Amino acid sequence: LAKTTQPISMDSYEGQEVNITCSHNNIATNDYITWYQQFPSQGPRFIIQGYKTKVTNEVASLFIPADRKSSTLSLPRVSLSDTAVYYCLVGDGFSGSARQLTFGSGTQLTVLP
Amino acid sequence: KAGVTQTPRYLIKTRGQQVTLSCSPISGHRSVSWYQQTPGQGLQFLFEYFSETQRNKGNFPGRFSGRQFSNSRSEMNVSTLELGDSALYLCASSFGQSLLEQYFGPGTRLTVT
Repeated sequence: LAKTTQPISMDSYEGQEVNITCSHNNIATNDYITWYQQFPSQGPRFIIQGYKTKVTNEVASLFIPADRKSSTLSLPRVSLSDTAVYYCLVGDGFSGSARQLTFGSGTQLTVLP
Repeated sequence: KAGVTQTPRYLIKTRGQQVTLSCSPISGHRSVSWYQQTPGQGLQFLFEYFSETQRNKGNFPGRFSGRQFSNSRSEMNVSTLELGDSALYLCASSFGQSLLEQYFGPGTRLTVT
């Protein structure tokens, strides 16, 4: 899987929009970008996945520039319950060693009142 | 549709003992993966099963093993427990061939004393 780099931590206030950027310079043609959210002592939860441009669902938006070397997870109007670790993963999930998911250190998002 | 379930949720064992953890995937999901999460090492891939076959294995000693049954339910076993095996063990299931969209269970918290 492509190596990813994301900030270790971020703070935000309730009601603000939060953008978490992930760098993946060696992303391959067949790779997708996937984000997971994890609360303490729980399993990660799939948030969103995309290949290029913009993807939006009821939880978040994912922005991917044309070169696909980075991506930005956007969380609109965060609340205290959005405090969690957010992981960015890149891969096609099919071939060879990519058949395992490699989670990096993730970004600890803390939402303050 | 019910989510991924794991049993037991909490377990305390003594060094040298063995333990078996169980995972029931989401109905219809045929792929089951196991992960170990510790504060120091983060989320690490253990192994993945699809249609009762192990398709990939992470970098863990042979004391860690698993299997999958015909109904897609999976078990993992750790023999000769060590203190360092204390961790949150997570099971995840996915529907198709891709592992990019996985659904995680709540985990089993194993404490080895």
